[in-house]
Amino acid sequence: GDSVTQMEGPVTLSEEAFLTINCTYTATGYPSLFWYVQYPGEGLQLLLKATKADDKGSNKGFEATYRKETTSFHLEKGSVQVSDSAVYFCALSDGVGGSQGNLIFGKGTKLSVKP
Amino acid sequence: NAGVMQNPRHLVRRRGQEARLRCSPMKGHSHVYWYRQLPEEGLKFMVYLQKENIIDESGMPKERFSAEFPKEGPSILRIQQVVRGDSAAYFCASSPDRGSYEQYFGPGTRLTVT
Repeated sequence: GDSVTQMEGPVTLSEEAFLTINCTYTATGYPSLFWYVQYPGEGLQLLLKATKADDKGSNKGFEATYRKETTSFHLEKGSVQVSDSAVYFCALSDGVGGSQGNLIFGKGTKLSVKP
Repeated sequence: NAGVMQNPRHLVRRRGQEARLRCSPMKGHSHVYWYRQLPEEGLKFMVYLQKENIIDESGMPKERFSAEFPKEGPSILRIQQVVRGDSAAYFCASSPDRGSYEQYFGPGTRLTVT
């Protein structure tokens, strides 16, 4: 079945450092890909998305490019801030296919940014 | 436009009791998804409902768990005879239609079974 694998954390960075969180997926169809962020004690918020190959999702300085050839959707940010400390989840949805839009999540990567 | 609402935010139950979790989707959304997040794990899909219909319950445990989304009122996830292993965060998400790829999440209900 479909699955998402993302790098294990925790990841600890200094403020203004470059961030990469790797995410690869396995899917039978052509899924949409997402990054969600979860701040402590809160629900998930959609950070960015890409619905087809070569699409780049971006938001709040974060970017991720849908790479069909490598089945990847790595999250990047050029300069992290303390306020970016959270858990980041990579997810896919194959839309109207077998899962009918259910999201399949990776295990999450906890990011801590130190001042 | 209010977001997805869940209540209670925290729920403590003793083993053997029933837990009832509520989810009110965003206005105009008729599709509801329930997910469970175990400690140190990602979210796992449980069930997908539309108004008065269960569309996909492939992620729901076969026993003790049930869900509904009535014509009026919130969606309810019911866990009967809770056990310690049910302790988790339960998240509800909603979307406007079946073809939408975006789901909007509520703040979750954290269930603790003592």
